[in-house]
Amino acid sequence: GAVVSQHPSRVICKSGTSVKIECRSLDFQATTMFWYRQFPKQSLMLMATSNEGSKATYEQGVEKDKFLINHASLTLSTLTVTSAHPEDSSFYICSAKGQLDQPQHFGDGTRLSIL
Amino acid sequence: EDQVTQSPEALRLQEGESSSLNCSYTVSGLRGLFWYRQDPGKGPEFLFTLYSAGEEKEKERLKATLTKKESFLHITAPKPEDSATYLCAVHGTGTASKLTFGTGTRLQVTL
Repeated sequence: GAVVSQHPSRVICKSGTSVKIECRSLDFQATTMFWYRQFPKQSLMLMATSNEGSKATYEQGVEKDKFLINHASLTLSTLTVTSAHPEDSSFYICSAKGQLDQPQHFGDGTRLSIL
Repeated sequence: EDQVTQSPEALRLQEGESSSLNCSYTVSGLRGLFWYRQDPGKGPEFLFTLYSAGEEKEKERLKATLTKKESFLHITAPKPEDSATYLCAVHGTGTASKLTFGTGTRLQVTL
């Protein structure tokens, strides 16, 4: 149980393109979803937290107009990187959790490469 | 502000050589301490949640323990397939649902 699916697993695109990443909880309802960014050999950096039907809460330093998050249902959240540039290249990982103190379960990440 | 420090940064073991990974934390009221395993190019995989000092959890060759200041992940007779980065994270009472992660311990188990 507690499976989180993230697509696509890898994206390579040109500078200026917008890229959408999907995160789905397959067998549970996710009251809260999280988006992280991870640099090589570093830990996860939380970008934003989203609750179903509410606006996402962004961490300090994360541009909300650059990283658009939509959490339209209890099983789906999307992250759109708008007008992506090479500095946005990174490994993006989503997670989802159910109620209260249940653990976060993670997707397998999306490797984004902007040329 | 919640803080998590993991040590060692990297650990190399021979197959069958038991050891422990350390996670020291400071948190304003612990709601849960979590251990995850992360393989290269993958998202973290949930292992354990510990809620209070003295609690222990086991899964195959792994055993996690918790005190008021630190947690240990004990690996007994490891196998090469246990090679991964092990991440520790805390959920404090003042941080809504957010986790604070440590930087991880990269474990390599050789034959």
